[in-house]
Amino acid sequence: QLQLQESGPGLVKPSETLSLTCTVSGGFITSDNYYWGWIRQPPGKGLEYIGIIYYSGSTFYNPSLKSRVTISVDASKTQFSLKLTSVTAADTAVYYCARFVGPGMNGAYYFDNWGQGTLVSVSS
Amino acid sequence: EVVLTQSPGTLSLSPGERATLSCRASRSVSTNFLAWYQQKPGQAPRLLIYGASSRATGIPDRFSGGGSGTDFTLTITRVVPEDFAVYYCQQYGSSCTFGQGTRLEIK
Repeated sequence: QLQLQESGPGLVKPSETLSLTCTVSGGFITSDNYYWGWIRQPPGKGLEYIGIIYYSGSTFYNPSLKSRVTISVDASKTQFSLKLTSVTAADTAVYYCARFVGPGMNGAYYFDNWGQGTLVSVSS
Repeated sequence: EVVLTQSPGTLSLSPGERATLSCRASRSVSTNFLAWYQQKPGQAPRLLIYGASSRATGIPDRFSGGGSGTDFTLTITRVVPEDFAVYYCQQYGSSCTFGQGTRLEIK
């Protein structure tokens, strides 16, 4: 059974870089038609897409975050990572990693497996 | 960017009633690119529906999705206590965006 687990600091100072890692178990990060992504959710608010990466390294970012985001993959470690630079209090959120299927069943595109999420607070 | 607007913001129902949740896109979205998720407090979202109308593995058949173009619907035929949660629609046609969510609460 596929499992994803986020890890990283729970507190980041303003203007610094937020770094998180997602470890994938029970499946192959190099499988065709699967991307690996990050989504965040500020406390009490909705979901915001950050970006996804294919095992080859191709990335697709949220245009509103693109200038600050880097997602990378280490297939040998079955991990992928998120870096978000120049953080502010507005970046405080629960960060989820998830598997993105595309195209999947019936040619559809969707997030089918999610990690439990990790809260990252931005504060001095 | 495709903006997804969900309505109502909050839906108050009693167990056994029918729930109809709406997701309207700012421009046409292929059915292949529309999904629905359920999120309970303190939990990650769970995939319910993909391709606008296909149920994900293990999802009860009281959940159904429909629609096309700019108007999509998630229907729960008879709400049971574990269905009270927040529901999000999501599209991937133009980058990826989520609706703001509909909270289904007990009346």
